[in-house]
Amino acid sequence: EDKVVQSPLSLVVHEGDTVTLNCSYEVTNFRSLLWYKQEKKAPTFLFMLTSSGIEKKSGRLSSILDKKELFSILNITATQTGDSAIYLCAVPSGTYKYIFGTGTRLKVLA
Amino acid sequence: GAVVSQHPSRVICKSGTSVKIECRSLDFQATTMFWYRQFPKKSLMLMATSNEGSKATYEQGVEKDKFLINHASLTLSTLTVTSAHPEDSSFYICSALHGGPIGNEQFFGPGTRLTVL
Repeated sequence: EDKVVQSPLSLVVHEGDTVTLNCSYEVTNFRSLLWYKQEKKAPTFLFMLTSSGIEKKSGRLSSILDKKELFSILNITATQTGDSAIYLCAVPSGTYKYIFGTGTRLKVLA
Repeated sequence: GAVVSQHPSRVICKSGTSVKIECRSLDFQATTMFWYRQFPKKSLMLMATSNEGSKATYEQGVEKDKFLINHASLTLSTLTVTSAHPEDSSFYICSALHGGPIGNEQFFGPGTRLTVL
């Protein structure tokens, strides 16, 4: 059975800290791994990763995939209160449906 | 591009009534849409895959007669929660499948918060 596990489940840090969020997966016929940020409404897309070892970067956020060890990390540097959200990792399974991980709830304190 | 809307954004209803939630792809056609349910502080749980012109595919444990899905056109899928009960209160999110630079991607609607009294 395909599955995605994220850790930690929750995290509280202070502004300026750097955080690393983890996502491990087991899926048949891996195609890609996606990261989303969810605040009050629907998830917003952050990154799609398909190749091992290639870092994707957007501002203070970056992510990398390790297809050998079956995991990905999402780094956020110099965290701000606006980074407080649930971060979701998803992997396409089967045709097009996504399997979402448990999510990591990040709270950044001022 | 690739905008998905949901209506209503919030609904409160009495126990025993039925509630319909609409999911629309505004600037693209989507033969496949997905319905998710999210409990407070939890991740998204896929309920069903909605296919235009055919029956929806439900995930294990999701009652087909309870959550009716109709994908009548290439831009609209509806989810009807029948005979709603308080335990159906949740955040329901739809997504629509659309071709992106690296294959198909899901684009999410803003969600509908259902409260059953």
